[in-house]
Amino acid sequence: DTGVSQNPRHKITKRGQNVTFRCDPISEHNRLYWYRQTLGQGPEFLTYFQNEAQLEKSRLLSDRFSAERPKGSFSTLEIQRTEQGDSAMYLCASSPNGAGAGDTQYFGPGTRLTVL
Amino acid sequence: AQKITQTQPGMFVQEKEAVTLDCTYDTSDPSYGLFWYKQPSSGEMIFLIYQGSYDQQNATEGRYSLNFQKARKSANLVISASQLGDSAMYFCAMRYLGAGSYQLTFGKGTKLSVIP
Repeated sequence: DTGVSQNPRHKITKRGQNVTFRCDPISEHNRLYWYRQTLGQGPEFLTYFQNEAQLEKSRLLSDRFSAERPKGSFSTLEIQRTEQGDSAMYLCASSPNGAGAGDTQYFGPGTRLTVL
Repeated sequence: AQKITQTQPGMFVQEKEAVTLDCTYDTSDPSYGLFWYKQPSSGEMIFLIYQGSYDQQNATEGRYSLNFQKARKSANLVISASQLGDSAMYFCAMRYLGAGSYQLTFGKGTKLSVIP
């Protein structure tokens, strides 16, 4: 039983470059979430997919951010024209559809982005 | 809007002792879920325990129990018989259980250090 996986685990980029992260959820989990976590803070919600449909987006998700889940399985998060303020841990989570225990979200190991 | 407050930035506990991590929340929704996650230095958020707002009994999972006091809007995590491996950041989170919104709102976390 594999958990949520994320790639890459670490990414260092220069300001102005584009970056893309990938998330593979737990198989058969319909829901997929992206969060951002900066130093000393708890994770903050970015966006949520049910299957391939992006149903909820935070105000944090500026125009430079885009997320996709084209076939309802893996998801990608792209940041265009990165800024130093984008440096953070990007966490992906998935949950089964309509299960008990509050539809618990299970997280991956995260991708740590450093923008120089 | 939902808000989670964790007032203890850091806590120390002797190995094999019990420790309580505080969490208070604010919401106007009658139906909500409360979660605790553990985040070791590796970065992955590990789900520990869940409590629904309508659950009559406090949740327990192994050495973890949730002291849920609805009237006081508190959901403290109790870890019994602390182990060295319990040293980590601990986050309290909540979400509205109605349809349409699945985002988790997190507190700022408490860093627990277990002393041998």
